[in-house]
Order: sequence, then structure tokens, then C-alpha cells
Amino acid sequence: QKEVEQNSGPLSVPEGAIASLNCTYSDRGSQSFFWYRQYSGKSPELIMFIYSNGDKEDGRFTAQLNKASQYVSLLIRDSQPSDSATYLCAVRNTDKLIFGTGTRLQVFP
Amino acid sequence: EAQVTQNPRYLITVTGKKLTVTCSQNMNHEYMSWYRQDPGLGLRQIYYSMNVEVTDKGDVPEGYKVSRKEKRNFPLILESPSPNQTSLYFCASRLGLARQFFGPGTRLTVL
Repeated sequence: QKEVEQNSGPLSVPEGAIASLNCTYSDRGSQSFFWYRQYSGKSPELIMFIYSNGDKEDGRFTAQLNKASQYVSLLIRDSQPSDSATYLCAVRNTDKLIFGTGTRLQVFP
Repeated sequence: EAQVTQNPRYLITVTGKKLTVTCSQNMNHEYMSWYRQDPGLGLRQIYYSMNVEVTDKGDVPEGYKVSRKEKRNFPLILESPSPNQTSLYFCASRLGLARQFFGPGTRLTVL
């Protein structure tokens, strides 16, 4: 079992819709959770982080964490074509940051 | 501007020819690391450093060396590159457990 698992996609959504990206992790001791966005050929950039169970909202982005189910998700409201990218889930346990392989999101006009 | 820089950005080399990829950060971060990114395998950590003169292996250290003589620099050394080291490499830094900043990436091709 991979430590951090994501569906590779592509996930295709129409402009204006809600995109839902999911991630599961295997280590129950994981302490913090991150979502990075990566455009093709570019470096990852942090868009959200969450430490506690529940929801955290920042603009059009909402991160959701359920530690009991070892599940973290990212919702993107009012999706735009510029949101088309690969979204990487990352999980931290002590000093180590472990990345999933990413989900490719395509937002079509 | 706070940033992580890497050089070169693109490199094509031949098997066995030693190379160094430089990484520098201007944020006074203690923690620095190197990742490689391959299709279907995601980002995998090669080496990391908690502070000056402190380095440790990540998940895929074979064939790589690093050094941390100064806080701002963390070069990645390939003593004898092989074709399976063809990849996209990222350097990253962070302060403590805070957000991690990535460099722009180095695309390496080993023929």
C-alpha cells in the first residue's frame, strides 16, 4: 500500500463546477496535510494546509480532513480553466513530507 | 524576493560524467531537501538536510551525494550519472515545520 494515494485522473469538470480531489494516507501518526498545485513543467506551489479534523476554507478552496478515515480532500468551487493542473497531496509525519503521485484536473470552458 | 534557485535548469550529459546541480535559498531556512519527479512515481525525496553539516538519506539516495557547508546552499552531486537518473529534480527549503518552498526545477537527461 502506498503511503499517500491519489487517483491519477484526469478529472474533467466544466467551468464553474466544483472539483473534488481526494487523498488517502496510511500512517495514522501523520500530523499535517498539504495540497500543492503543479502546472506542467513548473514547480509545486502550496495552496492549502490543514492540521485539524474538519474543513478549512480559503477563497475558492476548501480542504477537508478526516483523521479517523485517514482521508483528506480538496474542493475547488467555481472551477476555472486556469485551475487545470496536477494537484499533489502531501502528508507530514515528524520531519518527513510524503507526496502522492497527484491528480490531474482539467477544467473545460 | 524570497526564493529557491537551482542551476542549471536544463542539462544533457553522458553516462559517467560527474555533474553538480546547485541549489541556493535566501530565506535563512534550516531545512533543505532534494526530490526527483518521474511520471507515475510522483515526488520522491533523495536527500535532506536539517542544518549545516547535517544531511540524511531520503527514499532514493543511491547514486547521489549532497553537502551542506553553508546554510543557504545544498548542492546535489552525481558522481557517475546513469540513464536511470534522467528525471526532473527539485530543491526545496523550509523553516522548521512551516511551508516548503520549491525551486524551479532542473531537467536532467543522461545519455
